[in-house]
Amino acid sequence: GAVVSQHPSRVICKSGTSVKIECRSLDFQATTMFWYRQFPKQSLMLMATSNEGSKATYEQGVEKDKFLINHASLTLSTLTVTSAHPEDSSFYICSALFADTQYFGPGTRLTVL
Amino acid sequence: GENVEQHPSTLSVQEGDSAVIKCTYSDSASNYFPWYKQELGKRPQLIIDIRSNVGEKKDQRIAVTLNKTAKHFSLHITETQPEDSAVYFCAASTNNAGNMLTFGGGTRLMVKP
Repeated sequence: GAVVSQHPSRVICKSGTSVKIECRSLDFQATTMFWYRQFPKQSLMLMATSNEGSKATYEQGVEKDKFLINHASLTLSTLTVTSAHPEDSSFYICSALFADTQYFGPGTRLTVL
Repeated sequence: GENVEQHPSTLSVQEGDSAVIKCTYSDSASNYFPWYKQELGKRPQLIIDIRSNVGEKKDQRIAVTLNKTAKHFSLHITETQPEDSAVYFCAASTNNAGNMLTFGGGTRLMVKP
C-alpha cells in the first residue's frame, strides 16, 4: 500500500515552454502532498506543500508564479513549470502524506534545452 | 527554522562491517525523525523512523538511536551487504509526523564486496 506515481518520468523541453508534472496517490487519498527539487548529489529541497482544495504553501525563495501547483482532487497534485529555463533542469519529486508518513513518487527528470 | 546536518557525506565499508550515520538538529521541538534510502535515480524509501518518546528502535539489521539532550540521532546498519549501497537521508519534523520534514544533506554509503 501507499504507492505514489509520477508522470512523466523524464521530459526534455525547449527554453520558454511550460511543463506539467503529475503526482498521484494510487491506493490512498492524500489531502497533503509535497513537491521537492533535487540537484545532482544533493539533498531534497522542499518547494511547496500542496493541500487539496486550497492554495499551495510555497517555501521561501520559490516563485509561486513560476511553479504552479494544483491539488484539485484527493489523489492528484500537479506541478507546472512555466516558461522553463535551463536553470530549472533538475529532478522533481513529489510525496504524499499517509498515516503520518511521507511516501515519495519516483521523480521526474526535467531537462530544459 | 529547523536545520539538520548529516555526517559523513560519504562512507565506504567492507561487506559485513557496520555503518553509522549521524545527524544533528537545531530545533529542540523536533519530535519525529525518519530515515530514507535512495538508490541512484529512484525514489527515497522510508527504512526506519523514531519518535522522541523512545531512545532506540530496531528493525533487523537497522537501528536508530536518539539523544534528545544532545539533539542528535544516528542510523546503524549491521552486517552490511552490497545492496545497502545507496544514499541515506535523515530528516526531522516538529509535528510528530511526516509532515514538514527538513532533510539532512545525505550520506553516500558504498559497501564493497
